[in-house]
Amino acid sequence: DAGVIQSPRHEVTEMGQEVTLRCKPISGHNSLFWYRQTMMRGLELLIYFNNNVPIDDSGMPEDRFSAKMPNASFSTLKIQPSEPRDSAVYFCASSLIGYEQYFGPGTRLTVT
Amino acid sequence: GENVEQHPSTLSVQEGDSAVIKCTYSDSASNYFPWYKQELGKGPQLIIDIRSNVGEKKDQRIAVTLNKTAKHFSLHITETQPEDSAVYFCAASNDYKLSFGAGTTVTVRA
Repeated sequence: DAGVIQSPRHEVTEMGQEVTLRCKPISGHNSLFWYRQTMMRGLELLIYFNNNVPIDDSGMPEDRFSAKMPNASFSTLKIQPSEPRDSAVYFCASSLIGYEQYFGPGTRLTVT
Repeated sequence: GENVEQHPSTLSVQEGDSAVIKCTYSDSASNYFPWYKQELGKGPQLIIDIRSNVGEKKDQRIAVTLNKTAKHFSLHITETQPEDSAVYFCAASNDYKLSFGAGTTVTVRA
């Protein structure tokens, strides 16, 4: 298995632009997680999907952030409009039973 | 919510020596304790985990111990090698939500 796949690996954008991050979970996994990692706040859970349904989005920082999971093999995290404080590494993780989470390589987002 | 504290924040060991990282958690309902290794520019990699019904688990050079009464758990790496250099994170959970420690940067000196 190729593991969790994320794209792009790096994204540089200007403040105010829309950013879309993409994730393909491990085949057969039914849970998907979006995390954000910064030096100041460490790893933060943004949103959790189970069987394509958002279960917990309490970690989504603002209405500028939205996430979708249209099917079991694809999810997006969108930031619109982006701000410099959104600069971070965003990880997608997937799991079969919710406990053992496997992380993707991450997307490093820089908003200037 | 769950609060996980991790110590030390940095650890430097001589190649071949052992490394120990300790974590404490606050929520007695937590029953799952994974450890992740993160190398520079990569995502966290699950290296070992333990559930609350087990006191110790070992996988080759790494082992994890759990003391539920004291609410702490530890990662032990024996015979350290240069490729063990990375940031290690502990976490605790009683459902899907992992609460992570702040991380320990381990450097193995050749």
